[in-house]
Amino acid sequence: QKEVEQDPGPLSVPEGAIVSLNCTYSNSAFQYFMWYRQYSRKGPELLMYTYSSGNKEDGRFTAQVDKSSKYISLFIRDSQPSDSATYLCAMSEENNYGQNFVFGPGTRLSVLP
Amino acid sequence: DAGVIQSPRHEVTEMGQEVTLRCKPISGHNSLFWYRQTMMRGLELLIYFNNNVPIDDSGMPEDRFSAKMPNASFSTLKIQPSEPRDSAVYFCASSFDRVVSEAFFGQGTRLTVV
Repeated sequence: QKEVEQDPGPLSVPEGAIVSLNCTYSNSAFQYFMWYRQYSRKGPELLMYTYSSGNKEDGRFTAQVDKSSKYISLFIRDSQPSDSATYLCAMSEENNYGQNFVFGPGTRLSVLP
Repeated sequence: DAGVIQSPRHEVTEMGQEVTLRCKPISGHNSLFWYRQTMMRGLELLIYFNNNVPIDDSGMPEDRFSAKMPNASFSTLKIQPSEPRDSAVYFCASSFDRVVSEAFFGQGTRLTVV
């Protein structure tokens, strides 16, 4: 089993749809949960991060973490063509040496106008 | 701050040649990561440094790969000799540990080995 698994996609939705992106993980030591957005031929950029379980909202984006189920989600409301990108979940744990980030394989999202 | 700076942005080289990728992390960050991204394998961690010391290099594919961080503002990833299967986008990222933080990525180096 991979340490972080993510819905494979690709995912195509019409403009205005609600998008749900999900990841599961196996390492219960993960404490920080992040979503990165990567446009074509660019580096990943941080979209949202949360610490431990709970919800976090930022504009059209909502991140949810359920540590008991080892499951995280990113919801995009009123999706726009500009949201078309690959979304990577990432997780990290703090250890004696610093932080180690582990990324999911990414879900490619296309929002069609 | 200009963010994480990588060079070159693109590199095309012949099989067997030495390739050196460079990274300047964000000033003040004390963790640096090298990742490789391919369509087949996604984003893979190769190695990460904390306070200039290599902490985990278990992701380095083989002895042909080596990474150094001689000071807090510079790191290199070297491939010698390069092979076509090394073709990928190589990302450098940096972060500040011990707080809730995130890794900031550079724009990547697209390496093509022919």
